[in-house]
Amino acid sequence: EAQVTQNPRYLITVTGKKLTVTCSQNMNHEYMSWYRQDPGLGLRQIYYSMNVEVTDKGDVPEGYKVSRKEKRNFPLILESPSPNQTSLYFCASSLSSGSYEQYFGPGTRLTVT
Amino acid sequence: GENVEQHPSTLSVQEGDSAVIKCTYSDSASNYFPWYKQELGKRPQLIIDIRSNVGEKKDQRIAVTLNKTAKHFSLHITETQPEDSAVYFCAASPETFGNEKLTFGTGTRLTIIP
Repeated sequence: EAQVTQNPRYLITVTGKKLTVTCSQNMNHEYMSWYRQDPGLGLRQIYYSMNVEVTDKGDVPEGYKVSRKEKRNFPLILESPSPNQTSLYFCASSLSSGSYEQYFGPGTRLTVT
Repeated sequence: GENVEQHPSTLSVQEGDSAVIKCTYSDSASNYFPWYKQELGKRPQLIIDIRSNVGEKKDQRIAVTLNKTAKHFSLHITETQPEDSAVYFCAASPETFGNEKLTFGTGTRLTIIP
């Protein structure tokens, strides 16, 4: 089954404790992206990757890191989480960076206390 | 950069009636306009998209219209059903850039009243 998976689905952590949210897709998609969703703000892009070893900042990259060492995986790293990073995070992938349908993961709800 | 405004933020419609959600964008270079539907607790899913070489596109009960001169596009849902209840997001990007420059609106929560 073609899908995008994320782990963990829910996470409660404390300020400053490094964490990684994993994202994996099995559709051989070149393009992957991370969004955060906050009430009243819609979906805002954090980072994206057009292919292996190619990543770039989106609209709200501060406080986040990513890597793309393999085509299928695109982890999101929070080196020192802060309460303002409490949010719902979605990973997405598409065939390429062109205007193609994005397939979203199930979401990760992160709470930083 | 691109700015996408979406209205209304909430919309309640009687079952069977039509619903219209409107979006405006700021960047005249934008020419790809997808709409995503997010059911409660679920992930966003593409329901329809339009590119600037067409003014209207239909898919069963869903249609999207585009007015490039006025820089606005709209989602129309006819004969609404309870399963249409969800949050809908519009988005815009320059097609030459595609998803890496995709800017989303803030969403419309649509409630269908039985």
